[in-house]
Amino acid sequence: KAGVTQTPRYLIKTRGQQVTLSCSPISGHRSVSWYQQTPGQGLQFLFEYFSETQRNKGNFPGRFSGRQFSNSRSEMNVSTLELGDSALYLCASSLGDRTYEQYFGPGTRLTVT
Amino acid sequence: QKEVEQDPGPLSVPEGAIVSLNCTYSNSAFQYFMWYRQYSRKGPELLMYTYSSGNKEDGRFTAQVDKSSKYISLFIRDSQPSDSATYLCAMTPPETTGRRALTFGSGTRLQVQP
Repeated sequence: KAGVTQTPRYLIKTRGQQVTLSCSPISGHRSVSWYQQTPGQGLQFLFEYFSETQRNKGNFPGRFSGRQFSNSRSEMNVSTLELGDSALYLCASSLGDRTYEQYFGPGTRLTVT
Repeated sequence: QKEVEQDPGPLSVPEGAIVSLNCTYSNSAFQYFMWYRQYSRKGPELLMYTYSSGNKEDGRFTAQVDKSSKYISLFIRDSQPSDSATYLCAMTPPETTGRRALTFGSGTRLQVQP
């Protein structure tokens, strides 16, 4: 079974631009969570989607948003990019509503210049 | 102060050594406790997860949880150079606030010398 895939793997953007990252969960998984990983703050939870509904949101500004499609694929968007948004963005998928295990993708490395 | 504290290391051990990795936490509401391994330029890989206090063993790995002390550990027996990675502890909040909103420790970098 294929794992979690994320596209693109690397991205360079300029301050003020916006960016959209994509995540395809493991086949059959209905939950997708997004995390930001930086050297200073570590891994931080952004939000979770389950059956196209946002279930939970971390402590990030409204510039960070996401959505989930009917096939469970998810996208996250960051508008008005700041230098501090440079990070590895990780997507994790989980089977269903009563499961705790999350399986991570390889991440998208975003660099904001 | 962070909710989850983890020594960043690096921790360097010889091949075959027993490795002990630890995290402490302050939020007694955390429910599930997990250990992830992350190789350079890769996403975290789930190693083990536990719910209750006590030990859970899987091959060379043993996870230990002491809820009364708010302390969790991961032991690696017969460590191998391939175990060289960053190890992250993670915890889930109460079900009412979203069981998949993990809170991570900062990670401990482990190097196993051949």
